[in-house]
Amino acid sequence: DTGVSQDPRHKITKRGQNVTFRCDPISEHNRLYWYRQTLGQGPEFLTYFQNEAQLEKSRLLSDRFSAERPKGSFSTLEIQRTEQGDSAMYLCASSLASAGLYEQYFGPGTRLTVT
Amino acid sequence: QKEVEQNSGPLSVPEGAIASLNCTYSDRGSQSFFWYRQYSGKSPELIMSIYSNGDKEDGRFTAQLNKASQYVSLLIRDSQPSDSATYLCAVVYYGGSQGNLIFGKGTKLSVKP
Repeated sequence: DTGVSQDPRHKITKRGQNVTFRCDPISEHNRLYWYRQTLGQGPEFLTYFQNEAQLEKSRLLSDRFSAERPKGSFSTLEIQRTEQGDSAMYLCASSLASAGLYEQYFGPGTRLTVT
Repeated sequence: QKEVEQNSGPLSVPEGAIASLNCTYSDRGSQSFFWYRQYSGKSPELIMSIYSNGDKEDGRFTAQLNKASQYVSLLIRDSQPSDSATYLCAVVYYGGSQGNLIFGKGTKLSVKP
C-alpha cells in the first residue's frame, strides 16, 4: 500500500522564480488537498480537488498560485514569482469521501525556501 | 472566523504517565474531529478520528469528544519517549466547506525517560 507521495522533498529558489510541486495521492482516493505550514503553526488549507474538479480555494491562495489535477490523478501546485513569504512546507493530503468520513492522509511534504 | 485552540505547551510528562491533550473549537457546525502527530521536520500523521460524543479508544490512545462543550481531548496512556512530538487537533466544518481541515497550532509533548 503506497501512501501519498510528493516531489521534490526540498526546493530552494531565488525570489521571483517559478516553482512547481507534484503530489500523487493514494490510488483509490478521490479527494486531494493542498495545505501550507509555517514554523510553529498548524497546516493551513489552500485548495482541494474532487476528482479533477477544483472545488474550493482559500483566500490564502493568491493569483500567483495555481493548482491542477488533470484526469483526477496526480496534482501540481505552481507558485509564480516566488516571494520570501512563500517559504513554508507545502503538504498534500488525500482522502476517500465516503459516508461523511473525511480522514485525510498526508504526504511527506515539500519544503520550499525562497532566498 | 472558525478557530481551533490548543495549548502550545510544552507539556512534559514522565515515561509511563498519562498525557492529556486538549482542544476547543469555535463552531458548533463541526462534526468530524482528528488528532495528528507530527515529529519535528516531518508531516502530520493521523492517529485518531472521532465523530460522535463519548470516548474512542485505539491502543494507548483515547479520544474524547464533548460537542456541547465544544471540546475534544486526546489521552495517551503509558507515555513513551517515542511519543514526544507535536499533536495537532483538526476539525472539519461542514456547510460550505467540503472537508478541509482546520488545525490548531499544536501542543508539543515531551516524555521524559
